[in-house]
Amino acid sequence: AQSVTQLDSHVSVSEGTPVLLRCNYSSSYSPSLFWYVQHPNKGLQLLLKYTSAATLVKGINGFEAEFKKSETSFHLTKPSAHMSDAAEYFCVPPRRDSGAGSYQLTFGKGTKLSVIP
Amino acid sequence: NAGVTQTPKFRILKIGQSMTLQCAQDMNHNYMYWYRQDPGMGLKLIYYSVGAGITDKGEVPNGYNVSRSTTEDFPLRLELAAPSQTSVYFCASSPQGALGNTIYFGEGSWLTVV
Repeated sequence: AQSVTQLDSHVSVSEGTPVLLRCNYSSSYSPSLFWYVQHPNKGLQLLLKYTSAATLVKGINGFEAEFKKSETSFHLTKPSAHMSDAAEYFCVPPRRDSGAGSYQLTFGKGTKLSVIP
Repeated sequence: NAGVTQTPKFRILKIGQSMTLQCAQDMNHNYMYWYRQDPGMGLKLIYYSVGAGITDKGEVPNGYNVSRSTTEDFPLRLELAAPSQTSVYFCASSPQGALGNTIYFGEGSWLTVV
């Protein structure tokens, strides 16, 4: 089954500098991978998703991620951080439920991004 | 554009009380989910449903019950509330399963059991 490791629990950047949130996946077979964002006291929102169609995926709010098989990585990047990017970010693989045969999302602890003015 | 609506937003329960968290979606999605999020942790799946009349357990179903009588509604019932159920609860929905499909989340329900 696919699993992921978010290498940093907390990342702090200055406003206007690049953002890099790291995610490594475990399986060579990766039907899809997602990045979700959770702003303080809010629900989660899809940032972008990889579904095998293209390795470079562009998401909302200027974020993008590249699926790299050679490095088993799906890192999230943004050229210039904005104060509104301060949030928790989750790299999420779907997991197949053996009972119903459907896929569910499994959320780990995530990476908290702080943006310094 | 309502999306996924959860009520109540905040609730304090006494140990042993019961309550129902309401969830409704207006996107005609087949799949609905309940997650809980403890402080500083990721989300854990409690129950999910693949359509009206069909529900299944997630990772942490103990102490909870669900029903899905309509496509739109997916209430979560807590029986005999315990302090360990203090958490933030998120309802979500998706057109089909999580493989390649976007999951839409509600704003959350903050529950404290004292």
